[in-house]
Amino acid sequence: GESVGLHLPTLSVQEGDNSIINCAYSNSASDYFIWYKQESGKGPQFIIDIRSNMDKRQGQRVTVLLNKTVKHLSLQIAATQPGDSAVYFCAENRKESTLTFGKGTMLLVSP
Amino acid sequence: NAGVTQTPKFQVLKTGQSMTLQCAQDMNHEYMSWYRQDPGMGLRLIHYSVGAGITDQGEVPNGYNVSRSTTEDFPLRLLSAAPSQTSVYFCASSSTGSAILTEAFFGQGTRLTVV
Repeated sequence: GESVGLHLPTLSVQEGDNSIINCAYSNSASDYFIWYKQESGKGPQFIIDIRSNMDKRQGQRVTVLLNKTVKHLSLQIAATQPGDSAVYFCAENRKESTLTFGKGTMLLVSP
Repeated sequence: NAGVTQTPKFQVLKTGQSMTLQCAQDMNHEYMSWYRQDPGMGLRLIHYSVGAGITDQGEVPNGYNVSRSTTEDFPLRLLSAAPSQTSVYFCASSSTGSAILTEAFFGQGTRLTVV
């Protein structure tokens, strides 16, 4: 079935490294994608989004890449910090204002 | 800025009890939705609303009711609580100023335990 999923459930990096979190999606009709960060005990927090007419978008220390050919989304975090430790979700908009979420990747940053 | 406010933050129910999870937003967003989050899983959509007076089912609607009488409020009702409804519930809202979806803002969540 159609789904949004992640390749790696846990990613461990050293402080200062660059982190890459991957996400695969299967619905070619999706036109909007979002990355969320969720810290323990909190609600998801918006990080960055990208529309299907773009292949790259940059924010502060974060970059999202969209490859529509292989239906792949990635989140790159530059100079990862301990405060970046959280679960990261990708989500796609398939229908109206509903979002379909992947299962999440835990990012662990060691000092 | 209040954003999206959920109450209560924690709740324990006995099987068969009913209750309402409250959600309010002060951003004048048209779209509101409810998700549940279970361990090791992403968020799953329960119900959503594209505006006052309009609601629709999401991925896992069974056992839940919603209504949207005002733009600000979107309560989620559990009709007869079951242990399978033990979860963390998140309410979200988003705007579509130009009919294009923007990011959803989430509340802090309600942790519900049904015993």
